[in-house]
Amino acid sequence: EAQVTQNPRYLITVTGKKLTVTCSQNMNHEYMSWYRQDPGLGLRQIYYSMNVEVTDKGDVPEGYKVSRKEKRNFPLILESPSPNQTSLYFCASSLGVRQGPLHFGNGTRLTVT
Amino acid sequence: KQEVTQIPAALSVPEGENLVLNCSFTDSAIYNLQWFRQDPGKGLTSLLLIQSSQREQTSGRLNASLDKSSGRSTLYIAASQPGDSATYLCAVRGTGNQFYFGTGTSLTVIP
Repeated sequence: EAQVTQNPRYLITVTGKKLTVTCSQNMNHEYMSWYRQDPGLGLRQIYYSMNVEVTDKGDVPEGYKVSRKEKRNFPLILESPSPNQTSLYFCASSLGVRQGPLHFGNGTRLTVT
Repeated sequence: KQEVTQIPAALSVPEGENLVLNCSFTDSAIYNLQWFRQDPGKGLTSLLLIQSSQREQTSGRLNASLDKSSGRSTLYIAASQPGDSATYLCAVRGTGNQFYFGTGTSLTVIP
């Protein structure tokens, strides 16, 4: 089944403890991206990648890192999480930079205390 | 910077009614616009994708239109059902390869 898989679904951590949220897609998509969803603010793009080794900042990149070493994986790294990064995170992918619909993962709910 | 607005924020209709959801955007330089559905605690499911050169797309009871010059899109849902209850979001793909989302319209269809 074609899908975008995120792990974990739920994560509670403490301030400053490094964490990684994984994202993998099995559709051979070139474009992958990360979003956070907050009440009243909607979804905001954190980072995106147009292909392997090509990444770029979205609207809210501060406090996040990404890497794209393989086409199928696009992990989101929080080196030193803070409470204002408590949010619902989504990974998404599409066939190309301007091709095809965005396919979303099921989300990761992160709480930073 | 692109701004996407969806009005109303919430809508409640009786079952069987036809309804229209609205999406407006400030910068007409877009590649495409996509409508999604989001159920509570779930991810986003793609409903319709309209390329900037297209005027509308249809899938079953759903019809989406795009007027790029005026910065507007509508999602028409025919003969609404309780199972249509969800939050509907629109997103535009800008020329800078980013996506911009509206905050959504929460739809409740009353049996």
